[in-house]
This record gives sequence, structure tokens and C-alpha cells, in this order.
Amino acid sequence: GNSVTQMEGPVTLSEEAFLTINCTYTATGYPSLFWYVQYPGEGLQLLLKATKADDKGSNKGFEATYRKETTSFHLEKGSVQVSDSAVYFCALSDRDSWGKLQFGAGTQVVVTP
Amino acid sequence: DTAVSQTPKYLVTQMGNDKSIKCEQNLGHDTMYWYKQDSKKFLKIMFSYNNKELIINETVPNRFSPKSPDKAHLNLHINSLELGDSAVYFCASSQGLDGYEQYFGPGTRLTVT
Repeated sequence: GNSVTQMEGPVTLSEEAFLTINCTYTATGYPSLFWYVQYPGEGLQLLLKATKADDKGSNKGFEATYRKETTSFHLEKGSVQVSDSAVYFCALSDRDSWGKLQFGAGTQVVVTP
Repeated sequence: DTAVSQTPKYLVTQMGNDKSIKCEQNLGHDTMYWYKQDSKKFLKIMFSYNNKELIINETVPNRFSPKSPDKAHLNLHINSLELGDSAVYFCASSQGLDGYEQYFGPGTRLTVT
């Protein structure tokens, strides 16, 4: 079956530091890949997505590239802000799984001033 | 305008009670989902409906029964609540089944005492 593995948190950074959250996946088909963000006390928001190999998703300064050869979709941001403190989830979905999202365990990111 | 809404936001109840959570989306989507987020933030699919038809039922106890009266609504009824049902329940919707992003509601925090 499909699975998603992402680095454990918490990840603690100072403001303006570079952020990387690793995400690798296992899938039988050709999945779409997503990063979702959950701010404290809120629901999940789509941060970015990529639907095929070598696609780069980007939003709000965050980027991730769909790497089929390494089955990875690492999230990066060049300069984090305190407001980026949240839990980040990597997820995949494919046709064979009827669209359901398979989530990673989530990575908590804490940005300090 | 809230895209995906859930009621109630908080639900505190005693073991053995029956409760319902309601979800509505105004995005015109065909597919709706219920996810459960446990205390460690892990997210797992419970159910999915496409055009009011149940298409995913992920090894969820029979005490949980989803109902979709129309494409814009997906409710979750839980019978004989147990302590282990305490979690945050998220409703989501998407345009279809094949790799579309999902839009999440704000969540319902269920606490069973």
C-alpha cells in the first residue's frame, strides 16, 4: 500500500533561517503529492501540490519538487517567519486509492524571534 | 464565505452517548471525506462519498455511520461513544477522485469522558 514518511519534529529555528522538511513516499501508481499546513487550533490548509514528476509546487515562499527517482517531495523555505510556526503534513493521493489522502505523521515547526 | 464548515466545533460527552457531527461544503464539489486526527496529530481517512455514494470505508467500527443527504452535506453519526473516540474529526471535500486537492473544514474536537 501507499505510505508517506516525513522527518520527525519538532524542528526549532530562528527567524530568517532556512527550513527543510524531508518527505519520501511509497506508491504503486503515479501519485499526486501535497503539503498541507495546520496552524494551532485550525484545520488543514493546502500549501502546495505537484501532480507529476519534476513538477515544482510553490506558495508563500515554500517550494517542493516532485522527484520520482528518489520518491521524495521535500519542503523548503528560504527565510522563515514566526508566523510559519505550524505542523506541516506531506501527503499523497492516487487514482487507485479513490482520491484518499495518505498523510505522513506531520512535522511541527517552531520559529523563534 | 466558509468553504467547508463543520458543527459543532467542540463536543464533550459521556461514554455510551450517541452524537452527530455535521459538515457542509459550498464549493460545488462531488466528493467529501471524513478524517480522524488522534492526539499525536496523525490523520487517517475514515470515509469518502462521491456523488452521495460511499466509496471508502476504512476499517471503521460499525458505531460510526456517515450519511450524505446531498452532495453538499456529509454527516457523521457515532453510537455508543467510547473513550478512544476522543479525537479531532475533519471533514474535507474535493472536485473529484483523481489527485485533486482537498479542502478541509475547521475540525470538531470530540472529548468523551
